[in-house]
Amino acid sequence: QVTLRESGPALVKPTQTLTLICSFSGFSLNTRGMCVTWIRQPPGKALQWLARIDWDDDKYYTTSLKTRLSIAKDTSKNQVVLTMTNMDPVDTATFYCARNNPYSTNCDISPFDYWGQGTLVTVSS
Amino acid sequence: SYVLTQPPSVSVAPGQTARITCEENNIGSKSVHWYQQKPGQAPVLVVYDDFDRPSGIPERISGSNSGNTATLTISRVEAGDEADYYCQVWDSTSDHYVFGTGTKVTVL
Repeated sequence: QVTLRESGPALVKPTQTLTLICSFSGFSLNTRGMCVTWIRQPPGKALQWLARIDWDDDKYYTTSLKTRLSIAKDTSKNQVVLTMTNMDPVDTATFYCARNNPYSTNCDISPFDYWGQGTLVTVSS
Repeated sequence: SYVLTQPPSVSVAPGQTARITCEENNIGSKSVHWYQQKPGQAPVLVVYDDFDRPSGIPERISGSNSGNTATLTISRVEAGDEADYYCQVWDSTSDHYVFGTGTKVTVL
């Protein structure tokens, strides 16, 4: 079955770089049409899309954070890594990774059918 | 930028029908997905491509999409339906996923 799990530090200091790992099983990012997406949710607020990486290594970033985000995959380890530089207290959020349902091979329009449980990252000195 | 507007809250008595709207200009031309999020949990996909349901989602939950409004309908509401609900689309103009502002459903 498909599972995803986020891991990384629970606390980072302002200006530091955050590195999160999404470890998944039950599918391969080598498969055409497969994509993994990162989404965050500040406490009490709405979901916000951050980045996506596709099976062919195409990458997409939300414009407002594009200069601070980087996404990469390690297909041998079944992992996707998200880095976010220059962290600020306003970046405090639960970070989720999710799989795009591959039914259409077009990740643009496919829904997020499996999610990790999320990891809360607090930015504070 | 593309903004999906949802009512902040909807209150409904058990057994009644809850309707959650998601509004944006010409949203009817896009595929809309809906997620249910209970406190402390990750979102769960409940409707995709406007009206399809993943396996395991009850038929009481349905979706529609036309013109400037997409709607998630929960019939015969139960206490377990109490959650936050988010709509979501892909905005091809900006190559961005966009989530709605979210609606908290309270079962009275």
